[in-house]
Order: sequence, then structure tokens, then C-alpha cells
Amino acid sequence: GAGVSQSPSNKVTEKGKDVELRCDPISGHTALYWYRQSLGQGLEFLIYFQGNSAPDKSGLPSDRFSAERTGGSVSTLTIQRTQQEDSAVYLCASSSQGGVAYEQYFGPGTRLTVT
Amino acid sequence: GENVEQHPSTLSVQEGDSAVIKCTYSDSASNYFPWYKQELGKRPQLIIDIRSNVGEKKDQRIAVTLNKTAKHFSLHITETQPEDSAVYFCAASHTGTASKLTFGTGTRLQVTL
Repeated sequence: GAGVSQSPSNKVTEKGKDVELRCDPISGHTALYWYRQSLGQGLEFLIYFQGNSAPDKSGLPSDRFSAERTGGSVSTLTIQRTQQEDSAVYLCASSSQGGVAYEQYFGPGTRLTVT
Repeated sequence: GENVEQHPSTLSVQEGDSAVIKCTYSDSASNYFPWYKQELGKRPQLIIDIRSNVGEKKDQRIAVTLNKTAKHFSLHITETQPEDSAVYFCAASHTGTASKLTFGTGTRLQVTL
């Protein structure tokens, strides 16, 4: 079946603009995670969804970052007033259940460049 | 919160040799430890994982060991091949944190002919 998909694959934006990044999880997966991978770094947790609710937003770096999930499926990560330090690859992952240790399947990521 | 350290940051081995990557974690509640392989420009792919109720798991040329007392776990790749060249990430999580993964900073493995 189809894996996790993300769009766009690449996004170049000017400092101060808002961006929206989209994630389509694997069908039927209730848990969805957003991570950020900066150049040469590991993956940093941003936010977790179980269904449409986000019980853990502890990784969002500032109030410029927000995310939502609708219909228990598609999720959108929004970054307002982008800064150069927001440049990174944003990865989405889904798993069949959250709260227990199930494998997380990653999408291909969105490479965000803020100029 | 959880902190995962990973060593070495780079590793070069000759084809056919073994490679070992080590990670330590800080949260004794962590009970799930996956390893991901990320090829250049690609998404991370799970290659093996281990849960806290076992000390070792093997899948063909790949094995993972876990020492809960010392809070460290290791990835072992035997008979390395050029296609093993990639960045490897360890991670830790536990059900109390909704299984969000805390990753190590990665090991770039280069297998030379």
C-alpha cells in the first residue's frame, strides 16, 4: 500500500513569510508525528497527534509553529514569520497506534529553505 | 526528558568487516529502541528494533544488544557490504511519552571496497 507522503518536497521561502507543510499518513494509522532534521543533525521531535488531538506539543520550538490534523488523517504543519534557523528537513511519521511502541513509518520529508 | 548519545559520528570499515555503533540513553523508563538507516536524500527506514524485555535481537547480518542496567544499546553489522553505507540513527522511547522517538545524532558509515 501507499506509504507516508509529504508535500511539497522542497520549499524555498523568504524570511518573514508563512509556510504550510502537508503530511498524508498511511491509511488507518491513528498516530502521527512531526520531526525536524537540521543539516548533519539527528531528528528532533516536534508534535504528536493521536487522532485529531495533539496530546504532546512539547517539541514545537516557538509559538510561530503550529499543527493540525483533520479527519484523523492529513496533517498540516504551519510556520509563521519564518526565520533562517527554521531551515531544515521536516519529516512526518505515522504508526498504527500511539502510546505503545509501534514502528513509525517516515515520509520523504519537506526540505525548507528560508532565505 | 530523554537524552540519547550516539558514537561514533563517523565510521569507515572495509567490506566484509564488522561495524559497531553504540548509544546510551538517560531515561530508565525507555522501553523501545529502534535503529533507522537513512541513505542520502532518502527517508529514515527502520532496520531493527528491540524492546526492553529482551537483551539481544538478530536479523541476518544485523543484531542489536541492550543493557538496561547500563542504559546502553548497540547495533552490530557483520560482513558489511557497500550498500550498508548510510547514516544510522538510534532512538529511544517509552509508552509514557506516547512513543515519541528521541534520536541520537547519527553515525555515518562508509564501507570501502
